[in-house]
Amino acid sequence: AQSVTQPDIHITVSEGASLELRCNYSYGATPYLFWYVQSPGQGLQLLLKYFSGDTLVQGIKGFEAEFKRSQSSFNLRKPSVHWSDAAEYFCAVWTTGRRALTFGSGTRLQVQP
Amino acid sequence: DTGVSQDPRHKITKRGQNVTFRCDPISEHNRLYWYRQTLGQGPEFLTYFQNEAQLEKSRLLSDRFSAERPKGSFSTLEIQRTEQGDSAMYLCASSEGLAGVYNEQFFGPGTRLTVL
Repeated sequence: AQSVTQPDIHITVSEGASLELRCNYSYGATPYLFWYVQSPGQGLQLLLKYFSGDTLVQGIKGFEAEFKRSQSSFNLRKPSVHWSDAAEYFCAVWTTGRRALTFGSGTRLQVQP
Repeated sequence: DTGVSQDPRHKITKRGQNVTFRCDPISEHNRLYWYRQTLGQGPEFLTYFQNEAQLEKSRLLSDRFSAERPKGSFSTLEIQRTEQGDSAMYLCASSEGLAGVYNEQFFGPGTRLTVL
């Protein structure tokens, strides 16, 4: 069964610093991968997705992610973090049989001034 | 803006009571999903509808849970005889089209259930 693992429960970065959030997936074939952000009181918002093709995917709010099949990873990056990026970030994989998303446990991002 | 809305946003109930949540998807979206999110975890799939047909149910959806989407528009999720383990955020999402993965799921703000 498809699954994703987010090894980091909590990450703190300084405003203006670069960010990388890790996501590892488990799936034999090419997975459909997503990154969502959840801010307090807000619904989950899609940042970006990977289906096929170019392994570097651009998303909204200046985020990007790189699909690396050899490492079974789909890490989320941002070159310069803003205080408004503080939120919880979820990696997800499309579960083909179920036809729904399977989420990781999330990484909470804290941004220091 | 007519995003996905959920009602109520918060619900506190006593163990053993029944509760019902409502989800209004984005107009014309024919797919509707329910997820449950417990503290410190990612959302877990519960069930989904294609129009009014419930096509998939997770093992998480015990016999005490029932979901409906009677006219293919809004949906309700009912939990009977609530237990403390039911305390969680219940999320609804909708998407258009039939292709599943290729159509973005738009999430509502969720209903936070606390069972005392």
